[in-house]
Amino acid sequence: AQSVTQPDIHITVSEGASLELRCNYSYGATPYLFWYVQSPGQGLQLLLKYFSGDTLVQGIKGFEAEFKRSQSSFNLRKPSVHWSDAAEYFCAVGRMDSSYKLIFGSGTRLLVRP
Amino acid sequence: DAGVIQSPRHEVTEMGQEVTLRCKPISGHNSLFWYRQTMMRGLELLIYFNNNVPIDDSGMPEDRFSAKMPNASFSTLKIQPSEPRDSAVYFCASTRLGSNEQFFGPGTRLTVL
Repeated sequence: AQSVTQPDIHITVSEGASLELRCNYSYGATPYLFWYVQSPGQGLQLLLKYFSGDTLVQGIKGFEAEFKRSQSSFNLRKPSVHWSDAAEYFCAVGRMDSSYKLIFGSGTRLLVRP
Repeated sequence: DAGVIQSPRHEVTEMGQEVTLRCKPISGHNSLFWYRQTMMRGLELLIYFNNNVPIDDSGMPEDRFSAKMPNASFSTLKIQPSEPRDSAVYFCASTRLGSNEQFFGPGTRLTVL
């Protein structure tokens, strides 16, 4: 069965510091992988996605993520965090079939110190 | 593009009352998803439709929950009767068949007293 694990419930970083949010997935084949961001009181916004090809994908707001098949990971990174990045981040895996279902991780809440 | 539209944004009701949540997907999108988000259980898929047809409702928690999609531009999620444990944020998302990239609405925050 598919599953997504985000091992960090909370992460706190200082503004300007680098960020890495971890995501591990379980899936029997190459999955579709996504990172979404949710600001307080808002819906989820897609940051980036991986379907195939280059394993390093660029997203909006300066985020990137790297797909590592050997580690079943899709970690999200940003070289320099801004205070506006404080939000909750969700990793999700989708199936490469007609179901179009996404399985979401439990989320990581990012706090940014001034 | 207006994005996915959900109404109401907030709903407060009393236990036992019927609640209807509404969703208008992005024009041209033909898959629609209903999710529920709680602190305890995170983001759960309740049901999804392809071309207005319910494909998988295995996430619907009980018979008190029902969802319909009478046409390509409108869907409802109904809870009857509502219970306090139904309190959550309910999200609707849509996508184009073959895309796998879901666009989320702003959610409806439901509080059942």
